[in-house]
Amino acid sequence: DTEVTQTPKHLVMGMTNKKSLKCEQHMGHRAMYWYKQKAKKPPELMFVYSYEKLSINESVPSRFSPECPNSSLLNLHLHALQPEDSALYLCASSQGDRASYEQYFGPGTRLTVT
Amino acid sequence: AQSVAQPEDQVNVAEGNPLTVKCTYSVSGNPYLFWYVQYPNRGLQFLLKYITGDNLVKGSYGFEAEFNKSQTSFHLKKPSALVSDSALYFCAVGYNNDMRFGAGTRLTVKP
Repeated sequence: DTEVTQTPKHLVMGMTNKKSLKCEQHMGHRAMYWYKQKAKKPPELMFVYSYEKLSINESVPSRFSPECPNSSLLNLHLHALQPEDSALYLCASSQGDRASYEQYFGPGTRLTVT
Repeated sequence: AQSVAQPEDQVNVAEGNPLTVKCTYSVSGNPYLFWYVQYPNRGLQFLLKYITGDNLVKGSYGFEAEFNKSQTSFHLKKPSALVSDSALYFCAVGYNNDMRFGAGTRLTVKP
């Protein structure tokens, strides 16, 4: 199984809402990632969990909060988002470090903040 | 830190013709190089990667890429383009536990 699944596919939320994005992989990968992608732009790395240790992109606002319940699951908790946070949110996983191993991406969650 | 450039925002080719999508990189050591493809409203899909060894790397869907160390390039190629190859293509360079994507090139294959 070489699939990364993400739920939901689409999400519309107001600026005062709290929601969560979910990601799952069953490839036994030890690294998982959250990316934000704006239209026609490359993905921007937000968070990395590698061997269950979190690495953060310091530029990511605190209204985004990752959680890794186990090595197969990755969540992204959203709170008090802004309209500029509307984007495609991609989850990915890899066998090892992201410099040398290819990443497998989920289909993404299309987030709209109203 | 490494950097990667895709000099063309858009590449247009006719179906059946060969295609090339260009990528150049800058890194102080020996990089890992990747190509990914993204179809509309989808995640990225891994096509191929270069680690070491043979400069011509073969990947999925008939794509291949040529590593050129002297020109610091890793161009993506396909001998005969299909309309279904139309998508957004990203080159990426990995080095020192970090990976950077290029800005992307939109490939359009016309019938």
